[in-house]
Amino acid sequence: AQSVTQLGSHVSVSEGALVLLRCNYSSSVPPYLFWYVQYPNQGLQLLLKYTSAATLVKGINGFEAEFKKSETSFHLTKPSAHMSDAAEYFCAVSESGYQKVTFGTGTKLQVIP
Amino acid sequence: DTAVSQTPKYLVTQMGNDKSIKCEQNLGHDTMYWYKQDSKKFLKIMFSYNNKELIINETVPNRFSPKSPDKAHLNLHINSLELGDSAVYFCASSQSGENTIYFGEGSWLTVV
Repeated sequence: AQSVTQLGSHVSVSEGALVLLRCNYSSSVPPYLFWYVQYPNQGLQLLLKYTSAATLVKGINGFEAEFKKSETSFHLTKPSAHMSDAAEYFCAVSESGYQKVTFGTGTKLQVIP
Repeated sequence: DTAVSQTPKYLVTQMGNDKSIKCEQNLGHDTMYWYKQDSKKFLKIMFSYNNKELIINETVPNRFSPKSPDKAHLNLHINSLELGDSAVYFCASSQSGENTIYFGEGSWLTVV
């Protein structure tokens, strides 16, 4: 069965500092991996996705994530945090590509001025 | 130009009532979903329809009944609402063969 684990339900960074949100996955087959962002009182927006092409995936708003099969990880990074990055971030995995996507429990990113 | 739209956005209702949430997508997708997000932000899939056919039905009480009149619409009807049904319900859609799910803005349901 597929699953994802997000380490840290809350992460605080200073504005301009590196953002690192951790995600580890479990899947019996090569996975599709996603990061979604949820701003307050809004729906989920896709940040980026990994679909077995390049292991380093670039997304919107300067975010990127690297697929590491040996570590079963798909951590999300951004070199310099901006105040507007404050939101809830969800890692997700799918074995079939789309039909059943399993989400992690989310990481709330706080950006301190 | 909203891709996945759901109504109402906010709904406050009493225990025991029956309510519906409507969802429409204009992306031309053939697959639609309902997800539930609880107070701890945990997201769990409830149902998925592909071309109006139910393909995913997670362990959800029978009080929840999805209806897909066509592949652009997926409505959620909830009977005999309970306090524990209070959550945010997200509609979403995707296209077969693709691997990106597009979410609506959510419907905040509060049962009092």
